[in-house]
Parts: sequence; C-alpha cells; structure tokens
Amino acid sequence: DTGVSQDPRHKITKRGQNVTFRCDPISEHNRLYWYRQTLGQGPEFLTYFQNEAQLEKSRLLSDRFSAERPKGSFSTLEIQRTEQGDSAMYLCASSQGGQPQHFGDGTRLSIL
Amino acid sequence: ILNVEQSPQSLHVQEGDSTNFTCSFPSSNFYALHWYRWETAKSPEALFVMTLNGDEKKKGRISATLNTKEGYSYLYIKGSQPEDSATYLCAFADNAGNNRKLIWGLGTSLAVNP
Repeated sequence: DTGVSQDPRHKITKRGQNVTFRCDPISEHNRLYWYRQTLGQGPEFLTYFQNEAQLEKSRLLSDRFSAERPKGSFSTLEIQRTEQGDSAMYLCASSQGGQPQHFGDGTRLSIL
Repeated sequence: ILNVEQSPQSLHVQEGDSTNFTCSFPSSNFYALHWYRWETAKSPEALFVMTLNGDEKKKGRISATLNTKEGYSYLYIKGSQPEDSATYLCAFADNAGNNRKLIWGLGTSLAVNP
C-alpha cells in the first residue's frame, strides 16, 4: 500500500463551477477525514467517516459542500457553485480507529 | 468550544540549538494528544500519539511530554538541524461521544538556520 492518495493534485476552475476531489485511503483504515488548509493556518476539520457512515460535519461547511464514502473505501468531496473563498488546500487523511492519521498530499484548489 | 493553542507561533533558531514549544488543550474529557510535523510542500506526518498523563515519548532528537491534568504538552528538539525546519502541529482528541475527531492547533513554525 502506497499510502493515502488524492486526485487531482491541482485544480483551477472558474467561480461558479462545481468541482469534485477523490481520496483513496490506506486500505485497512476505517476512518477517513477531510480537512481544508488555508495559508498560515493549521488543518481545519471538514468532515469524517467511519467506514461508509459520515459521523460528523463541520458547522463551517456550507450546503455547497458534500462528501461521500459509498463503500467505505474511497471518498469524494464535491463543492458546488465554487466561490473565491473556497481556494485552499484540501487534505484527506485516514486512520485505523484513533491511531495517528496518515495524510495524502492534498488537492490545491484555485478559484479564478 | 474546544480550543487548542500552540506557542510560539514561529521560532527561528541556529543549527545546534535546542528548542521547545507548547501545546495547550482542554484538560477535561481527555482522550489523546497528537503531534505532527508538516514540511512545506509535503503532507503532515505523525510524530507522536500520547494518551497517559506523564507520558514522555522520543523519536531521535525529538521528544514530547504530556500533562493531562493541567492541559499541556511540550515538544523538544535537541540540537536542531536545518532539516527540522517545518510546522509542528498538535491535535487534541476528547472522549466525549464516540467520534474522537482531532481539534488542531495552528502550529509552531520552526526555521533552523545553518
């Protein structure tokens, strides 16, 4: 297993467009997390899955954001009607239970 | 509202200096305290997970201590090297409910000058 992988690495899109990111966690990990990181900040929690169940979603996450993990393996994060403020690095991490989280390299989103 | 604070926000040291920084977290409902190292253009890498009051963990020149009663953890780097330059993040997990998601600090940015 090569670790957590995220796709794409970079996404540039116009304001108002929809974008979808994918995360493939480490295969035996049951937990998957999405974070957002903006310049100068630590990771900001967005949402978290245990297997296929979405257990928590940040209040900071507007209705334009949705995440799925349909079979308890890979996950997708979709942002609808993107806005300038959505520009950030989107990080995915996975863990087995409460063990340390392993992070992917992230998807950098730039909104024009 | 759960809050994790790290200090200092940034630190510049000379190669060979030893340094330490602090992570403060809520002292109630403690479950675990994580330390991560985040180098520029890379993803965060786990250093330690600490669960017991008085725990001390070590990995090479880096060590960490934990005081759950007063709600703080120290990270120490002995004999800093330029390759130690990174942002060091701590994250707190509480045991309220079953979620135990991490609450992250903003990090301490360390720059080691050769």
